[in-house]
Amino acid sequence: QKEVEQNSGPLSVPEGAIASLNCTYSDRVSQSFFWYRQYSGKSPELIMSIYSNGDKEDGRFTAQLNKASQYVSLLIRDSQPSDSATYLCAVNINQAGTALIFGKGTTLSVSS
Amino acid sequence: DTEVTQTPKHLVMGMTNKKSLKCEQHMGHRAMYWYKQKAKKPPELMFVYSYEKLSINESVPSRFSPECPNSSLLNLHLHALQPEDSALYLCASSQALGGNEQFFGPGTRLTVL
Repeated sequence: QKEVEQNSGPLSVPEGAIASLNCTYSDRVSQSFFWYRQYSGKSPELIMSIYSNGDKEDGRFTAQLNKASQYVSLLIRDSQPSDSATYLCAVNINQAGTALIFGKGTTLSVSS
Repeated sequence: DTEVTQTPKHLVMGMTNKKSLKCEQHMGHRAMYWYKQKAKKPPELMFVYSYEKLSINESVPSRFSPECPNSSLLNLHLHALQPEDSALYLCASSQALGGNEQFFGPGTRLTVL
């Protein structure tokens, strides 16, 4: 069974702090990794994609990938109350990339 | 235009009804997807279309029938649904298969009475 694991949270951080969200995956052949943000009652919104080992930065967001450890993370710097949402880690589970498997999501709460 | 649109936003139907969900994208994407999402759960893949051909059917019951009339449109035909089929139905598209980024529409909130 190919799996994507996330801590469900809630992860609570004060405004201005760094939020760190983690994800592990079971399929070693996975090549593509994504972070989606989902507000309650809304659809998932893509915020980061990462394909190579290392860090990828986009504004306040940094995705980190370590394929040897089968681990991908998302750092949110200067967290804002508007970042409060569920963050879904998603992984392509085969080399053809035909199917995206989601983790159960981590709920982030940023307090002002 | 980087948007995936879905209609209707909300749908209430009885178990004997036939209805359809519609999805449209104008990004030139050649892969389109249907997902189902229950409350407090992650999206679950239902169907994948690539170049207007069905590529993946994740063992979805036949009361759900997908259709891809052209590269921009994706439909999901619903018939004889059960109350447990009530969920948020999400359409997504990507440039192609092979690990490309998927962009989601706003979803259709379906309630089966």
